[in-house]
Amino acid sequence: EPEVTQTPSHQVTQMGQEVILRCVPISNHLYFYWYRQILGQKVEFLVSFYNNEISEKSEIFDDQFSVERPDGSNFTLKIRSTKLEDSAMYFCASRITGGSYNEQFFGPGTRLTVL
Amino acid sequence: AQSVSQHNHHVILSEAASLELGCNYSYGGTVNLFWYVQYPGQHLQLLLKYFSGDPLVKGIKGFEAEFIKSKFSFNLRKPSVQWSDTAEYFCAVSAFSSNTGKLIFGQGTTLQVKP
Repeated sequence: EPEVTQTPSHQVTQMGQEVILRCVPISNHLYFYWYRQILGQKVEFLVSFYNNEISEKSEIFDDQFSVERPDGSNFTLKIRSTKLEDSAMYFCASRITGGSYNEQFFGPGTRLTVL
Repeated sequence: AQSVSQHNHHVILSEAASLELGCNYSYGGTVNLFWYVQYPGQHLQLLLKYFSGDPLVKGIKGFEAEFIKSKFSFNLRKPSVQWSDTAEYFCAVSAFSSNTGKLIFGQGTTLQVKP
């Protein structure tokens, strides 16, 4: 069964450093998402991406964040200058078509620790 | 703004006990409803979903959920839990009108089943 994959599984970085979290969505999916979960808190929507552009983003997704689909298979989340409060589990998800009917498939997550 | 509330943060049950996890949402329009499960060390997986029709939906592994529109609720049930049901359970909603289908999650319920 096709799966969403994410790398790395755990990333440790120093405050102020740039990090890139990578995701490979399911191959025939068209919609891509990033969510995050700070320890002990809710899973929060960050951004959705379709047709090579952001279709929706949350208040959390400020100028420090960016997303890209550089090569037709990877989907990346970049945090330009990490802060302590960016420490969280980051989940990538993909969906085959738009609208809210279809299931989003989630990756295993990347645990980001900012020191 | 949409929000989701899960009443139970941590539930401990013995095997064969019945389970009911509460979920309430706040949104003025039509919603699609989901329960996701995250087993230890694994990614979020869809347990069941409600889009329309019969408000009692059945999912995988013997789980079911009932949508009660008047109560804005979508409670998850299982008549007899097993040790393997130990996991974290997330209720999520998506606005029917949403083009992006972003999910709004509850804070999650940790279920621990004692053998």
